Amino acid sequence: NAGVTQTPKFQVLKTGQSMTLQCAQDMNHEYMSWYRQDPGMGLRLIHYSVGAGITDQGEVPNGYNVSRSTTEDFPLRLLSAAPSQTSVYFCASSYSIEAGYEQYFGPGTRLTVT
Amino acid sequence: GQQLNQSPQSMFIQEGEDVSMNCTSSSIFNTWLWYKQDPGEGPVLLIALYKAGELTSNGRLTAQFGITRKDSFLNISASIPSDVGIYFCAGQLTNAGKSTFGDGTTLTVKP
Repeated sequence: NAGVTQTPKFQVLKTGQSMTLQCAQDMNHEYMSWYRQDPGMGLRLIHYSVGAGITDQGEVPNGYNVSRSTTEDFPLRLLSAAPSQTSVYFCASSYSIEAGYEQYFGPGTRLTVT
Repeated sequence: GQQLNQSPQSMFIQEGEDVSMNCTSSSIFNTWLWYKQDPGEGPVLLIALYKAGELTSNGRLTAQFGITRKDSFLNISASIPSDVGIYFCAGQLTNAGKSTFGDGTTLTVKP
């Protein structure tokens, strides 16, 4: 299994540009999430999905869109990039077990908006 | 929303020493997770805790789910240089996609 994969690894955008960060998992996990991590801080939830066709907002959703057309893929779209969106973006997937849930992260996409 | 307070913010220790860090919350969680993040990488799950009072070990790591469900701690025994990194706690209430993260504890181990 490749686990959770993210592309690109690095990206530089100009203010106002749009782009899509890709995330895929091959573990057949139901749950997928996007987080952003700013320097010296923990991860903050942007959007999440509990299954194909179902998405919901997290703590910091403004400026981002998501869709979940398949179990494997969960792309994150930046509609009009702003310098405040400079961050490291992590995608995660989770599966449920009898006791609860365990969440696994991709390697991250480092985004700079100038 | 729910807030997690993780402490200490950073630790500088000698190789071989034991380490203890903790997370507290103003509200309860059903699951506590502990992660380690190396530079340039995503967080890696170390230990998951599902029941209040649960004590779980993974090698030299031991974590406990507080009895009030509002706190958790992580201990690392006999630290080694590869323990260097940022350790995050995370709490989940009901939805697997929604974890609330602490701000992390940065661990430096001096040989």
